Amino acid sequence: GAVVSQHPSRVICKSGTSVKIECRSLDFQATTMFWYRQFPKQSLMLMATSNEGSKATYEQGVEKDKFLINHASLTLSTLTVTSAHPEDSSFYICSARRTNEQFFGPGTRLTVL
Amino acid sequence: AQSVAQPEDQVNVAEGNPLTVKCTYSVSGNPYLFWYVQYPNRGLQFLLKYITGDNLVKGSYGFEAEFNKSQTSFHLKKPSALVSDSALYFCAVREMGSNDYKLSFGAGTTVTVRA
Repeated sequence: GAVVSQHPSRVICKSGTSVKIECRSLDFQATTMFWYRQFPKQSLMLMATSNEGSKATYEQGVEKDKFLINHASLTLSTLTVTSAHPEDSSFYICSARRTNEQFFGPGTRLTVL
Repeated sequence: AQSVAQPEDQVNVAEGNPLTVKCTYSVSGNPYLFWYVQYPNRGLQFLLKYITGDNLVKGSYGFEAEFNKSQTSFHLKKPSALVSDSALYFCAVREMGSNDYKLSFGAGTTVTVRA
């Protein structure tokens, strides 16, 4: 149990476009999901905490208007990268909380041309 | 505040030899501790966790870790490494009782097991 999926697994887009990434908890309900960003061979950087039915909590330095998070149901959180630029290219990983643990999705590779 | 240190960027071992990946942590109270493994272009896979109870924790793929409160360490070990264990390993901590459920990750240790 405790499976988390992400879609898409890989996306390439043009600069200036917006990209939506979905994170789903497949076999449990998650009131809290987390979004991370990971640069090559580096650790995970927490971007924001996504709370079902309320506004996301962003970490310091993360632009909330650029990285829009919506957690409309207990099994789905979405991250929209608005007006993407090449510097937004990265590996984005979500996790979903169940009791005291986080279960991680497989990640989404975003490449902005 | 909570933090994790993984002092080694890289660990290289020969197949069949013991593997140790070091982790030390810092929390104000008691910790929840986790180890994850990441293969290229993949998410994090859970290996094991310490919540409470026995200090020696056994996890997936033959890995184990020992919680040492006095040394604030949670080193990951495997008695006999395989080439397929080559990957990026992350230690993570969360303070027990914290209500934001945020994990703090170490910088990661790249393990290379040579045949």
